[in-house]
Amino acid sequence: LAKTTQPISMDSYEGQEVNITCSHNNIATNDYITWYQQFPSQGPRFIIQGYKTKVTNEVASLFIPADRKSSTLSLPRVSLSDTAVYYCLVGVRYGGATNKLIFGTGTLLAVQP
Amino acid sequence: GAGVSQSPSNKVTEKGKDVELRCDPISGHTALYWYRQRLGQGLEFLIYFQGNSAPDKSGLPSDRFSAERTGESVSTLTIQRTQQEDSAVYLCASSSTNEQYFGPGTRLTVT
Repeated sequence: LAKTTQPISMDSYEGQEVNITCSHNNIATNDYITWYQQFPSQGPRFIIQGYKTKVTNEVASLFIPADRKSSTLSLPRVSLSDTAVYYCLVGVRYGGATNKLIFGTGTLLAVQP
Repeated sequence: GAGVSQSPSNKVTEKGKDVELRCDPISGHTALYWYRQRLGQGLEFLIYFQGNSAPDKSGLPSDRFSAERTGESVSTLTIQRTQQEDSAVYLCASSSTNEQYFGPGTRLTVT
């Protein structure tokens, strides 16, 4: 499973757009890129998943360049409640022999008023 | 609908005692996972169930750790002869598609 590298922490202010970039140089052909969000004392929560180009949902956008060696999670107009740890994960999509998630240490996003 | 639930939410135990942690997955989810999260760190995979079989136990840290699952329902993670390094939050997740749904975790403290 591909290793991921992302910043340990980021600071932002309410109303700003936040972009968190993750590097995954050894991503395999079958790997998908998934982002999870974790609030204190809670389990992680799925945000978005993509394979290439751009994916957008009601929460975030995910930008993946053609070489897929990195990806950027974009959170529009963050609020205080977006303060959390954001994890970038790379792995096979469901249907493989196992779908275990390999978490790094994540990026702690701190949103200030 | 109900999400993944775990019990107890907190457990304090003495070193050397056995503990049993419970996970109730979302109804109908065939896949179930256990993870461990130490303070300030990411999650470590422990074991994966597909139905009641465990094709991937590669993350269990020692033979003191074991897990069972009844059909496509409840799972229990057992830690025997607990050690202080077992102190962590133990998270369970279930899935039926690409997304894993996590429970709130059990915080285990070994004194």
